[in-house]
This record gives sequence, C-alpha cells and structure tokens, in this order.
Amino acid sequence: DAGVTQSPTHLIKTRGQQVTLRCSPKSGHDTVSWYQQALGQGPQFIFQYYEEEERQRGNFPDRFSGHQFPNYSSELNVNALLLGDSALYLCASSLGLATGELFFGEGSRLTVL
Amino acid sequence: AQSVTQLGSHVSVSEGALVLLRCNYSSSVPPYLFWYVQYPNQGLQLLLKYTTGATLVKGINGFEAEFKKSETSFHLTKPSAHMSDAAEYFCAVSGTGTASKLTFGTGTRLQVTL
Repeated sequence: DAGVTQSPTHLIKTRGQQVTLRCSPKSGHDTVSWYQQALGQGPQFIFQYYEEEERQRGNFPDRFSGHQFPNYSSELNVNALLLGDSALYLCASSLGLATGELFFGEGSRLTVL
Repeated sequence: AQSVTQLGSHVSVSEGALVLLRCNYSSSVPPYLFWYVQYPNQGLQLLLKYTTGATLVKGINGFEAEFKKSETSFHLTKPSAHMSDAAEYFCAVSGTGTASKLTFGTGTRLQVTL
C-alpha cells in the first residue's frame, strides 16, 4: 500500500519563477492538505482540498494556489517566487475533512535563489 | 484560533532515561491534540493523538501523553529513551471537526546520548 508520494523531492528556482509541486495521496484517501515547513520551524498550513475544491486556507498570499484532480491527487503552485518561499513543502492526506488522521509525504524541498 | 508552545527547542537525555517533551496549547474550542515525529529528511509520522475520551493516550514506540485541560498541556513522555528516539518532535492542535488543519509548535529536537 503506497503512502503519500510527492514530486519532485528537490528543486531549485530563481526569484520570480513559478513552481508546481505534486502529491498523490495514500490509497483510499480523498482529502489533501499542504503545509510549508521553513528551516527550523514547524509546518504551517497552506490549504486543504476535498472534492476538488479548496475547503480551508491558511495565512498565505494568493501566489499560492492549488488544484485537486478527480483521482484525488493534488498540485501546489507558487507564482512569483520569493527567497522566503524556500522551504520543505509537505503534502498530507486523510479520509474526510473532520477526524481523519493525516499521513504525510516526505516533502518537496524548494530552494529559491 | 489555536496555538502551540513547545518549551525547549533542544532536549538531551541519556539512553534509558525518562523522556519528557513539553507542550502547552491555546484553543477557543475543544481541541484535538497530536504529537508527530520527524526523522532527518523525512516527513512527519503520527506518534499519538487525543480527540475525546481517555485523557492518557498511548502511542507508538512506547510514547504516551496526557491531556490536562486545567493546565492546557499535552506533554509527551517515554519511560526509557532509546538511541533510535533521536529526532524532531512536533506538538500540534486542531479544532474539533477540523483535524486536517493543524497548528504546529516550533518543535523540540531530542538528542539521546550513551
């Protein structure tokens, strides 16, 4: 049973560029959440997708957007990259919105130069 | 709104000693509380969670935590540390019914020495 898979694992971008990160949820899960973990910090909630719609959003600017596909996989897009966007981006999946336990992927490490 | 405070960014214990990692929370609604562990270059793994019911919860790898509403605390303990317990530990809180929107603390790095 595959867990949460994320791609790419590492990537380097320059300021102003755009990036797309991808996530496949654990088998049987229908909800995907994205978190940003800056170096030395705890993860911060970006947003959550369920039934292909953004259901909750954290305190992140509109440069951060996402999508969920019919197969429950998800993408995180970040436009106009800033140096401060350098972080580990974690995808987590769960079953349902309410009490489903979160399963995390290993993350995509983004470096912005 | 919820918040989490983890006291001590670094904790060092000897192998075989008691592990105590502190977590205090703030929540305007009845909280769900979680402890996650993160090993280097890996994602987060759930150790244990409190939602409702028994306030002493047991998790994986011998860890347990007690929800104390009067103290707004959810400290993580393990009676005897093992070298493999060395990792980063995160306490997190969510509001009832929103378990997938977690607010994390800044983490505590546990070092285990011989």
